[in-house]
Amino acid sequence: QQPVQSPQAVILREGEDAVINCSSSKALYSVHWYRQKHGEAPVFLMILLKGGEQKGHEKISASFNEKKQQSSLYLTASQLSYSGTYFCGTEGGAQKLVFGQGTRLTINP
Amino acid sequence: GAGVSQSPSNKVTEKGKDVELRCDPISGHTALYWYRQSLGQGLEFLIYFQGNSAPDKSGLPSDRFSAERTGGSVSTLTIQRTQQEDSAVYLCASSYIGRGEAFFGQGTRLTVV
Repeated sequence: QQPVQSPQAVILREGEDAVINCSSSKALYSVHWYRQKHGEAPVFLMILLKGGEQKGHEKISASFNEKKQQSSLYLTASQLSYSGTYFCGTEGGAQKLVFGQGTRLTINP
Repeated sequence: GAGVSQSPSNKVTEKGKDVELRCDPISGHTALYWYRQSLGQGLEFLIYFQGNSAPDKSGLPSDRFSAERTGGSVSTLTIQRTQQEDSAVYLCASSYIGRGEAFFGQGTRLTVV
């Protein structure tokens, strides 16, 4: 079951904050977050595991509500380099990683 | 290798021809995933492997699509009798144990004319 992301698109000015949400109708073992820039492959940002373990880049923060099967990615003090499409991927225990439709983030100067 | 390698990077084929797309994962990665990305769209799950076995083939769009993995390493995605709607970027990713960071290849851009 594909997770649902919201919003579909966000436009910010440099320095503003953003939150991207991801929800699933299935129980989750882990949530992954990736960023893809135009013409490039997706790049790993963070993984959040059931039980509270998190691994990822220091400047990225995210939350994982296991009971609600929801995750949120927090982008604070956005920089121009944050622009791209953000994908959440969910894994329900069978190690099958499926992705949402993506959230396009545009940062303007 | 240093990263996930996919070949070819670009493939133009005539409608009705068969194509093979190759993915060489990071050495030691047991999980391997194939996704399809149409222009401006999300990552559509196709199939994944644990070792050489594919526990879930539910994402393959039709029986024209098949994939195999040999030696727990290289994987090949085969599309038979290609159609124009098969045109997309096909991405491969691999991860260690299957629950860690997934590394993506640069993809194969397939164009069916």
